[in-house]
Amino acid sequence: NAGVTQTPKFRVLKTGQSMTLLCAQDMNHEYMYWYRQDPGMGLRLIHYSVGEGTTAKGEVPDGYNVSRLKKQNFLLGLESAAPSQTSVYFCASSRSAQETQYFGPGTRLLVL
Amino acid sequence: EDQVTQSPEALRLQEGESSSLNCSYTVSGLRGLFWYRQDPGKGPEFLFTLYSAGEEKEKERLKATLTKKESFLHITAPKPEDSATYLCAVQTGRSNYKLTFGKGTLLTVNP
Repeated sequence: NAGVTQTPKFRVLKTGQSMTLLCAQDMNHEYMYWYRQDPGMGLRLIHYSVGEGTTAKGEVPDGYNVSRLKKQNFLLGLESAAPSQTSVYFCASSRSAQETQYFGPGTRLLVL
Repeated sequence: EDQVTQSPEALRLQEGESSSLNCSYTVSGLRGLFWYRQDPGKGPEFLFTLYSAGEEKEKERLKATLTKKESFLHITAPKPEDSATYLCAVQTGRSNYKLTFGKGTLLTVNP
């Protein structure tokens, strides 16, 4: 039981490049989330999903897109990366809205 | 707007020196308060959930308590392996999917 896994662990992009971050969970959770963590700030919600085929905007959604084609996977896309998107990205999942969110190990992204 | 403030920002203790971390919150309709531990370069690891004022939960050297305005994470006789950043987050009835996080307290326990 791996819990929540994220791919890749680290990536360097040039401004304007695109990439997709993959999150996978093996706990059969309905809810999945993408957060970003920046120095001096708390974790902030980018997008979330309440079930397969659904997505919704969180607190800081601009510049990102997401998809949840399969229940166990939640993808975060950057269409045209900007230096302001340099951050550590965490995926989380939970069984329901009120239950504990379990986090993955994170993806460190550097945009030059 | 929901707000979560953690203090102190950083705390340095000697092994065995007990102390407390604070998480104060201003929210409308608290559903739950969560404590996480985060080691450098890793994701947050769940510790506790508290739902109502007066509730307490314990795990090894950690004890979390909740009042109507704040939560404390008490660390009794800490060891160097307790060194980490401790994060507090709240969930409200207004948007019950969302966690609002504080900035965390960096705890260092010296041997």
